[in-house]
Amino acid sequence: QQQVKQSPQSLIVQKGGISIINCAYENTAFDYFPWYQQFPGKGPALLIAIRPDVSEKKEGRFTISFNKSAKQFSLHIMDSQPGDSATYFCAASSWGQLTFGSGTQLTVLP
Amino acid sequence: NAGVTQTPKFQVLKTGQSMTLQCAQDMNHEYMSWYRQDPGMGLRLIHYSVGAGITDQGEVPNGYNVSRSTTEDFPLRLLSAAPSQTSVYFCASTPPGLAGVSTDTQYFGPGTRLTVL
Repeated sequence: QQQVKQSPQSLIVQKGGISIINCAYENTAFDYFPWYQQFPGKGPALLIAIRPDVSEKKEGRFTISFNKSAKQFSLHIMDSQPGDSATYFCAASSWGQLTFGSGTQLTVLP
Repeated sequence: NAGVTQTPKFQVLKTGQSMTLQCAQDMNHEYMSWYRQDPGMGLRLIHYSVGAGITDQGEVPNGYNVSRSTTEDFPLRLLSAAPSQTSVYFCASTPPGLAGVSTDTQYFGPGTRLTVL
């Protein structure tokens, strides 16, 4: 049972463009929604996170948009750079346990 | 601080062999967990521990055992390896929050790539 659905599976963006990754969840008990970034051969690292009492959170070029009624949230990467090329995972947490989406492989072309 | 460390980085086993994947953290985190990562499936929770002496099962616990005798160490044991256990394994730890409740931020180790032939 996939509780967090992530799309697209892969994404190719030109340098300077906007990358958008979407996630949807089912369990209304989730109360924390982080995004992790993973480079090849490395473990995932927390990128940005949001709680359901706000609709948007921005940190530099990275923004999470959260729609509680639709049970959806998305990651926007503005002015995408080749160094952003990585796999991105959305996740949802309940009682400290993370459920991950399937991942999006982002490639930013120079 | 070294953070979360995992050994070995790579391992090849034959079907039926047993082995232990090591995980250690030097941040005095109570909450630790093990995940496996498979292509197209994200990370799935195998086992977790909320403190020394306390462990519990995650989403995919079959074929794996864990123990937590100290705060620092959380080894994962494969009792009889199967090809279906070929995967990348990540250990993670979580810092404590207020009133002893764990926060949600997890710090991941570099992973162990396991191949079972």
